[in-house]
Amino acid sequence: DVKVTQSSRYLVKRTGEKVFLECVQDMDHENMFWYRQDPGLGLRLIYFSYDVKMKEKGDIPEGYSVSREKKERFSLILESASTNQTSMYLCASLNRALGGTEAFFGQGTRLTVV
Amino acid sequence: DAKTTQPPSMDCAEGRAANLPCNHSTISGNEYVYWYRQIHSQGPQYIIHGLKNNETNEMASLIITEDRKSSTLILPHATLRDTAVYYCIVRVGSGGGADGLTFGKGTHLIIQP
Repeated sequence: DVKVTQSSRYLVKRTGEKVFLECVQDMDHENMFWYRQDPGLGLRLIYFSYDVKMKEKGDIPEGYSVSREKKERFSLILESASTNQTSMYLCASLNRALGGTEAFFGQGTRLTVV
Repeated sequence: DAKTTQPPSMDCAEGRAANLPCNHSTISGNEYVYWYRQIHSQGPQYIIHGLKNNETNEMASLIITEDRKSSTLILPHATLRDTAVYYCIVRVGSGGGADGLTFGKGTHLIIQP
């Protein structure tokens, strides 16, 4: 069974704090993704990575950065958390194979910035 | 990735077939159609995907039109547990991998008892 594990299910942080959201996958997938989900807005792609140390901006990268030092781990960083970053954050991984494959998601981290 | 258009919400009676449409008129020849669903408070879950032929698995059937500009996900006997947001996305399925995985707002399917 593929596992995508997010380090926390719920997190409360203060405005201005540096926040790290961690995601680990155990299937040797090349591609990993970070999304945020807000009511009425669907899943929005923040950043993704297609290899170690490689990263690409998604649709809403402002206020975020990412780190992919090892293949299995993809971290989302909020350099200075703000209240408008209160959201559900979802991580996903995908095998970059021929023929079409499915993405696997973690259970999500609900972040509240106060 | 090509864009998709889905109705924001649909109702279906329990036990009936739920047919969820998706428009992807700008799909490219090497892009697959994928369907995922998200049950409240969980991460999205893969359902099915296809390139041009119709596909069926234990969860659902996928019907892709001959011109590939639209598709329909069919849940043959909907249950209350099928109430979820269903996402249709198109993506290059082959290697090369430096492309994102973009979801729209999906269709909120509500199964009525």
